[in-house]
Amino acid sequence: EIVLTQSPATLSLSPGERATLSCRASQSVSSYLAWYQQKPGQAPRLLIYDASNRATGIPARFSGSGSGTDFTLTISSLEPEDFAVYYCQQRSNWPLWTFGQGTKVEIK
Amino acid sequence: QVQLVESGGGLVKPGGSLRLSCAASGFTFSDYYMSWIRQAPGKGLEWVSYISSSGSTIYYADSVKGRFTISRDNAKNSLYLQMNSLRAEDTAVYYCARVWQQRYFDYWGQGTLVTVSS
Repeated sequence: EIVLTQSPATLSLSPGERATLSCRASQSVSSYLAWYQQKPGQAPRLLIYDASNRATGIPARFSGSGSGTDFTLTISSLEPEDFAVYYCQQRSNWPLWTFGQGTKVEIK
Repeated sequence: QVQLVESGGGLVKPGGSLRLSCAASGFTFSDYYMSWIRQAPGKGLEWVSYISSSGSTIYYADSVKGRFTISRDNAKNSLYLQMNSLRAEDTAVYYCARVWQQRYFDYWGQGTLVTVSS
């Protein structure tokens, strides 16, 4: 089973600052990694797929990078609506899909 | 626009059963794989089950295997999750999600809360 470990658990930043979130896989997932954003009371929203491709309608301030076991989600300049929980996700043979435990980006 | 609307959640006693439904619209439902994903209160996301577009291929997480059954009715644009032998640890918001590129979840419903408690 591939385990995804996200760090940090919580990131305290101010609007306008840069956010850097990490996701580490216990074994290689190639570039088959996605990032989701979840706000309180809402369903997750796909942000990034295949490690670095923005999903439809996602602003350019969100970018993803990495391959193999180490991945990064960067928000170049935090907007008020970006404060949320972010999850990484991969698909392996079994279990078919796993998620990281999440990183909360909170207002400092 | 793509819409997924879950229903059927509620309060059920341990050992009880519940059937969740997910009504899809805005896309050709029969062309897409679908999944159920859950989130326990205050916790992260857990994939639960997957079904292929025709319904011929089905997978379950170990935590629900033998207790939950996923199905779909392409004529009704609907996805289902039959949950039996429910446990307290099954308490969660259950989301249906469209599977995209066989790897990712590009659209999610708003979720339905299942509470298992005596």
